Amino acid sequence: DAGVIQSPRHEVTEMGQEVTLRCKPISGHNSLFWYRQTMMRGLELLIYFNNNVPIDDSGMPEDRFSAKMPNASFSTLKIQPSEPRDSAVYFCASSRGGREKLFFGSGTQLSVL
Amino acid sequence: QQQVKQSPQSLIVQKGGISIINCAYENTAFDYFPWYQQFPGKGPALLIAIRPDVSEKKEGRFTISFNKSAKQFSLHIMDSQPGDSATYFCAASLGANNLFFGTGTRLTVIP
Repeated sequence: DAGVIQSPRHEVTEMGQEVTLRCKPISGHNSLFWYRQTMMRGLELLIYFNNNVPIDDSGMPEDRFSAKMPNASFSTLKIQPSEPRDSAVYFCASSRGGREKLFFGSGTQLSVL
Repeated sequence: QQQVKQSPQSLIVQKGGISIINCAYENTAFDYFPWYQQFPGKGPALLIAIRPDVSEKKEGRFTISFNKSAKQFSLHIMDSQPGDSATYFCAASLGANNLFFGTGTRLTVIP
């Protein structure tokens, strides 16, 4: 099993640009989570999907953030327009159901200049 | 508002020693308490988890101690090894959805 695959591993962009982060969950997993990790705030849940349906997006910081899961094997997190304070490591995680045993990807290191 | 408070922020332990990381929570409705281990450049990985109906769970050198009345739980790493050097996160969960993570403890085990 390849695990959760995220791309890109690193993204450097300028303020105001659109950023799209991608995630391929583990096959057979029906729950998908997007987390953001910073030194100041640690790991924060942004959004949670179950069976491709967004269940909880209360952690999405602003309307600039949006997430989609068009099918069971793909999800995107988009930031438009990006700002320097969005700089963080963004993790995607999947599980067989809910919060039990999340499998995390290696993350996307985002730097907004 | 931090749902789970974790300490210490960093910890240095000699090889063979015991590493202890503590977490505290306020919401008595939390019903699942996992610990995750994260190596540099990698995502967190589940290490061990406990539910509030037991006071202790052991898996190899890793033990969770849970004190429901004090609303505290801790991770003990026995016979700590340099390969255990990583960042450890406690977490707590309510219901099927969210996990609230602590801020992490960077553990360094000195050979």
